[in-house]
Amino acid sequence: QSALTQPASVSGSPGQSITISCTGTSSDVGGYNYVSWYQQHPGKAPKLVIYDVSNRPSGISNRFSGSKSGNTASLTISGLQAEDETDYYCSSYTSSSSWVFGGGTKVTVL
Amino acid sequence: EVHLVQSGAEVKKPGESLRISCKGSGYSFPTYLITWVRQMPGKGLEWMGMIDPSDSHINYNVSFQGHVTISADKSISTVYLQWSSLKASDTATYYCARSYVVTGGMDVWGQGTTVTVSS
Repeated sequence: QSALTQPASVSGSPGQSITISCTGTSSDVGGYNYVSWYQQHPGKAPKLVIYDVSNRPSGISNRFSGSKSGNTASLTISGLQAEDETDYYCSSYTSSSSWVFGGGTKVTVL
Repeated sequence: EVHLVQSGAEVKKPGESLRISCKGSGYSFPTYLITWVRQMPGKGLEWMGMIDPSDSHINYNVSFQGHVTISADKSISTVYLQWSSLKASDTATYYCARSYVVTGGMDVWGQGTTVTVSS
């Protein structure tokens, strides 16, 4: 199972919106509405911010939103804040009854 | 409060065996699946495999199958990840995480266990 494709980096100014893409295939992203997004600060465990493509866990800011079109899922962070500067990973359920992660995207707040 | 607490950092030599653990508390342990995730130094996340502690059914990533073994002891709310013969390339931080269903997001994570394999 090949890793999902994410941009290596995305940047934006405080208050702006940014979108991180996550491209897979019809055997993963395109075939199921089971895409999750994780935020990981350096030296810390990942944190779930979106599950099932567009659902936010309790306690996650509504500035985080998710969507999917075809084989590409997206995470949008609106009202960008300094605390959002870190790494983000997408993950998708696959036809092999397993999960696959994307390579990760580093978000920089300018 | 819900927690997954992992065993401490390990330093091993190539060829040695190792078992690390992940203990759940604050919830009904058999109700949730546990996944192991590898993160090599400076790299991304990799899904290794998932176990259902209620019946020990396991799904492995084919890339890891045969090199690691995942097991569970629901009587002590603990899941294990073990190697019989470590390689230098096993040097990484390993995380456990829980999900309610196979297709669900992983909502609680352990703190990570750093494994260093060096001669």
